[in-house]
Amino acid sequence: GAGVSQSPSNKVTEKGKDVELRCDPISGHTALYWYRQSLGQGLEFLIYFQGNSAPDKSGLPSDRFSAERTGGSVSTLTIQRTQQEDSAVYLCASSLRQGRITEAFFGQGTRLTVV
Amino acid sequence: DAKTTQPTSMDCAEGRAANLPCNHSTISGNEYVYWYRQIHSQGPQYIIHGLKNNETNEMASLIITEDRKSSTLILPHATLRDTAVYYCIVRGDQTGANNLFFGTGTRLTVIP
Repeated sequence: GAGVSQSPSNKVTEKGKDVELRCDPISGHTALYWYRQSLGQGLEFLIYFQGNSAPDKSGLPSDRFSAERTGGSVSTLTIQRTQQEDSAVYLCASSLRQGRITEAFFGQGTRLTVV
Repeated sequence: DAKTTQPTSMDCAEGRAANLPCNHSTISGNEYVYWYRQIHSQGPQYIIHGLKNNETNEMASLIITEDRKSSTLILPHATLRDTAVYYCIVRGDQTGANNLFFGTGTRLTVIP
């Protein structure tokens, strides 16, 4: 695709349920980022993937959050036992490669609402 | 990565130049200055970046002071569609600089 694609665009889930958010990066981009943004707040870094290197998970807020990236392309962010404070827009971005200055391209995000 | 300081909000009249300042007094020699913006309900959008020379592209100009401790993003003829939150980010060009840290940014409102 021409840009970073995220699905679903909106997700409403009940507290305690698990959710999976998907990110399709731009083809050929080896770096992939996940951020989340609560209403009226800035972007909070969650996790970063670069090629076959071990991901940087330093931003994950708890062990209920995990992410994987299969085949160096599509990534899935999983939130287990969702809580109301998990409600936010989850943004994915990709860039051509890390280690060289290159801009990151963001998707439109998945708006998660935990009720 | 060095931290940045930006004003919380600014207004600009439509058609006039919008000048958005950013302080990055602790920037190190290998760190670049990036600007992104986020229009309401959209993901952030890359605008421009630079190291020490002034840069210009179709969206904006970036003016970096000689000591590199501050910079200004210039939108030469602001339109209503430029209303957004503008983020100034400093990031190194080295392996391990794997996070774009978005602060609170400057909320620019373009007024008709």
